[in-house]
Amino acid sequence: EAQVTQNPRYLITVTGKKLTVTCSQNMNHEYMSWYRQDPGLGLRQIYYSMNVEVTDKGDVPEGYKVSRKEKRNFPLILESPSPNQTSLYFCASSSDRGGYEQYFGPGTRLTVT
Amino acid sequence: QKEVEQNSGPLSVPEGAIASLNCTYSDRVSQSFFWYRQYSGKSPELIMSIYSNGDKEDGRFTAQLNKASQYVSLLIRDSQPSDSATYLCAVNGWNAGNMLTFGGGTRLMVKP
Repeated sequence: EAQVTQNPRYLITVTGKKLTVTCSQNMNHEYMSWYRQDPGLGLRQIYYSMNVEVTDKGDVPEGYKVSRKEKRNFPLILESPSPNQTSLYFCASSSDRGGYEQYFGPGTRLTVT
Repeated sequence: QKEVEQNSGPLSVPEGAIASLNCTYSDRVSQSFFWYRQYSGKSPELIMSIYSNGDKEDGRFTAQLNKASQYVSLLIRDSQPSDSATYLCAVNGWNAGNMLTFGGGTRLMVKP
């Protein structure tokens, strides 16, 4: 089944404790991206990648890191999480490097206390 | 000024009616336009994409694009209670690089 998977789905952590949210797609897509969704602010893009070893900042990259060492994986790293990073996070992928027609993973709900 | 704007709703329509959802965008050189449906607690699901002016139909859904007026709309014919969700408009344009910018979404409620 073609899909984007994220792990974990739910995470509660404390301020400053480094964490990684994994994202994997099995569709051989070139483009992958991370979003956060907050009430009243909608979906905002954090980082995106058009290919292996190619990443670029989205609208809200501060406090996040990403890497794209393999085509199928695009982990999101929070080196020192803070409460304002409490949010619902989505990974997405697209067969087009331009990021058209993106398909979303199930989401990761992160709470930072 | 938000780059992609939608009325947050809720938009309430009776079952069987046509639901009309609208979206305006500020970047004149935007190239690609998408509608996503998001059920509560779920991830966005792509339902329509449109790249050129005019109408594009897919089943009960019709997307309409008017680049001169900078708006894109989604019509849902024969609305069903299962269509109740938040509909997100998204725009990808040259000025945005390869980023997708989303509107805040319109909540649609279809009443039986």
